[in-house]
Amino acid sequence: EVQLAESGGGLVKPGGSLRLSCAASGFTFSTYSMNWVRQAPGKGLEWVSIISGSSAYIYYADSVKGRFTISRDNAKNSLYLQMNSLRAEDTAVYYCARSMVGPTSDYWGQGTLVTVSS
Amino acid sequence: EIVLTQSPATLSLSPGERATLSCRASQSVSSYLAWYQQKPGQAPRLLIYDASNRATGIPARFSGSGSGTDFTLTISSLEPEDFAVYYCQQGRNWGTFGHGTKVEIK
Repeated sequence: EVQLAESGGGLVKPGGSLRLSCAASGFTFSTYSMNWVRQAPGKGLEWVSIISGSSAYIYYADSVKGRFTISRDNAKNSLYLQMNSLRAEDTAVYYCARSMVGPTSDYWGQGTLVTVSS
Repeated sequence: EIVLTQSPATLSLSPGERATLSCRASQSVSSYLAWYQQKPGQAPRLLIYDASNRATGIPARFSGSGSGTDFTLTISSLEPEDFAVYYCQQGRNWGTFGHGTKVEIK
């Protein structure tokens, strides 16, 4: 059974940093691209970033480019999102999701809440 | 950036009725269009990928159609568990989502 479990969310001040993790199990992690998608409270979904299985290809939404860094450790079946220079508008539930093809995601974690507030 | 416009914003229907949801892209996305269902407090669930292919385990009452800029998600006969928010997502130029259509009980 495919399982994805995010962790690392919490309260952080504007300008601060946070690192999210996603532990994957139930599939051959290294052969799948992975996405991060976020959802601000009461709002819609926003695709954030994608990383290929080998980390050769990485893309970001314009809203996070230059501030967020996606990475993975295939030996640990783990996906990461390093978030720097956080802003109030980054407040959201962050989901990791397995890519079926590109940004289309067939399995999702339950999400971790990031709150950026002073 | 490709913008996806979903309509209507809210659809009020009764169980057993047919639901037709629209997603229009600001430029062609070919068939790179997916549909998701999301219930309160839950992660999204993939329903349809590549415009018309049902994801694993999705009931046949869900169908998708369209290509280019105009897409439709149809639920042939609403079940109680289908009342939720539905999002489209394009995969032509990274994964922008539409703003969602809420299907509510009339």
